Amino acid sequence: QLQLQESGPGLVKPSETLSLTCTVSGGSISSSSYYWGWIRQPPGKGLEWIGSIYYSGSTYYNPSLKSRVTISVDTSKNQFSLKLSSVTAADTAVYYCTSMVRGVIIFDYWGQGTLVTVSS
Amino acid sequence: QSVLTQPPSASGTPGQRVTISCSGSSSNIGSNTVNWYQQLPGTAPKLLIYSNNQRPSGVPDRFSGSKSGTSASLAISGLQSEDEADYYCAAWDDSLNGHVVFGGGTKLTVL
Repeated sequence: QLQLQESGPGLVKPSETLSLTCTVSGGSISSSSYYWGWIRQPPGKGLEWIGSIYYSGSTYYNPSLKSRVTISVDTSKNQFSLKLSSVTAADTAVYYCTSMVRGVIIFDYWGQGTLVTVSS
Repeated sequence: QSVLTQPPSASGTPGQRVTISCSGSSSNIGSNTVNWYQQLPGTAPKLLIYSNNQRPSGVPDRFSGSKSGTSASLAISGLQSEDEADYYCAAWDDSLNGHVVFGGGTKLTVL
């Protein structure tokens, strides 16, 4: 059974870059069955997909965030990462890392989530 | 403004059957399968229904999903207090090189 764990700063200043890492255990990030991705949830609001990456580096991004988002994968560490640049208060959210099953596009395993606050 | 449209709230009494709708368009629900997620207070979302009407192992058969055209529905029969949660629909959208879209979520209250 896969387990995912987010890590990174809980506080980021406006205009700076938000950086998070997700460590995958219980399976290989190089699995052909999965994409790996990020979903966020602002306080009291709904879910927003940020983007997903395959172990080969192929990516899909939310069109509304694409200009600010980079998702990368490190197969040697079984980790993948999120960078979101030029953050504002609107980027304050709980950020979840997830596994996404190829083909059926379902998010079957989730991290516990990490709250990132954008504030000076 | 979410791409998929859900009612913000729904409610029912224990034992009742409730349905939650999810409306989309030809580029998402109309051409791809729909998945549903349940989010209990303070927890990460959990996959509830996938591929329109399939239940992952461990999900009670009280939960069922359906799809017709550009709309989908989640039905919960025999409503229980522990079903009080937020429910989200999601689908792949073929526009703009492809991306995942979510509904805005429906908060289910068990009266």
